[in-house]
Amino acid sequence: DAGVTQSPTHLIKTRGQQVTLRCSPKSGHDTVSWYQQALGQGPQFIFQYYEEEERQRGNFPDRFSGHQFPNYSSELNVNALLLGDSALYLCASSSSGGRTDTQYFGPGTRLTVL
Amino acid sequence: AQRVTQPEKLLSVFKGAPVELKCNYSYSGSPELFWYVQYSRQRLQLLLRHISRESIKGFTADLNKGETSFHLKKPFAQEEDSAMYYCALFPGGYNKLIFGAGTRLAVHP
Repeated sequence: DAGVTQSPTHLIKTRGQQVTLRCSPKSGHDTVSWYQQALGQGPQFIFQYYEEEERQRGNFPDRFSGHQFPNYSSELNVNALLLGDSALYLCASSSSGGRTDTQYFGPGTRLTVL
Repeated sequence: AQRVTQPEKLLSVFKGAPVELKCNYSYSGSPELFWYVQYSRQRLQLLLRHISRESIKGFTADLNKGETSFHLKKPFAQEEDSAMYYCALFPGGYNKLIFGAGTRLAVHP
């Protein structure tokens, strides 16, 4: 099991563009959470997907949206990119069985907005 | 407000010295707390969780509700302990985590 995988590894965009990041959860997991990690900061929760629906959201604008597919993989979309969106985007997967099931993190996608 | 504070950005010690990474939290309910670690060029991974009351790689952490702290300790640091350490709080509801800003531990030979 490769664990949580994310693509692409790095991405460079310009202001105003749109970006899509992808995540495949660990085998056996059905819940995917997305986090944004700015330089020098800890990860910040964006939202979580379960059963193909967003079931919890952090303090992020509507420019951030997502999707979960029937195979539990997920996408994070960011529209109208701002310079401040430059960050490492982490995906974490877990199972729905427990409130605090261990979250397994992917390696992240480094987004640079110029 | 729900918040996790790690007051030190960098903690530098020599091999064999004791280590204490500080974590304070702000939460009105009964907290569930975690320590995550990120070694160089590796992904973020769970180190320990307070409800397990276990020791991983010689690290322990005790929840002090009176001081709202969850400090990470190890009696004798090893060079391989050098990494970024993040304290995280589970605030209830679904499985989301609130992270501190992290502390970089550097263990020198």
